[in-house]
Amino acid sequence: AQSVTQLDSHVSVSEGTPVLLRCNYSSSYSPSLFWYVQHPNKGLQLLLKYTSAATLVKGINGFEAEFKKSETSFHLTKPSAHMSDAAEYFCVVTPKTSYDKVIFGPGTSLSVIP
Amino acid sequence: GAVVSQHPSRVICKSGTSVKIECRSLDFQATTMFWYRQFPKQSLMLMATSNEGSKATYEQGVEKDKFLINHASLTLSTLTVTSAHPEDSSFYICSALFGTANTEAFFGQGTRLTVV
Repeated sequence: AQSVTQLDSHVSVSEGTPVLLRCNYSSSYSPSLFWYVQHPNKGLQLLLKYTSAATLVKGINGFEAEFKKSETSFHLTKPSAHMSDAAEYFCVVTPKTSYDKVIFGPGTSLSVIP
Repeated sequence: GAVVSQHPSRVICKSGTSVKIECRSLDFQATTMFWYRQFPKQSLMLMATSNEGSKATYEQGVEKDKFLINHASLTLSTLTVTSAHPEDSSFYICSALFGTANTEAFFGQGTRLTVV
């Protein structure tokens, strides 16, 4: 079985300061992990993905995430927040086979203060 | 990367009518697709798993007669909300799995359904 935990339901940062959105997962085998962003009234946009290659993954808009197997974590970071980063962020785990389900974390709402 | 197209992006319908939402994998074949529903300010909740050529598997609490899923081909799955009511108003998103050794999920852009 797989599960995803996003420890913070809401994160607020000042513009220009670092962003850290936390994600922990549990899986009986090595999963593929993703971060998606959803702006208000919009669909999902893929930020980055980890699929068993490099553990430090770079995504769009300056976001990065590091896969740490020992900590079962895949935290999302950005050195400097921009106003346009305000959105809902979802950590997602998917199976290596086609028989399990795509699991979404509960989401973290990011606010950026001017 | 692979593309999943979902249509329509927005739909408004009257209570009692049915609405069909399409999910297409444009450049790959998807034997498995998933349908999600998102309530305001909440995460996506899996509704059902759609398998090509067989009946969909519904999650607990999801009415299969209310939300009809058809996966008639390797590139198309449809979700029909039958006899829609205002409480069915929501954001619906589909996804398709691509690959076997390194499976990835690709998502449609979502459909915002408003029932008036």
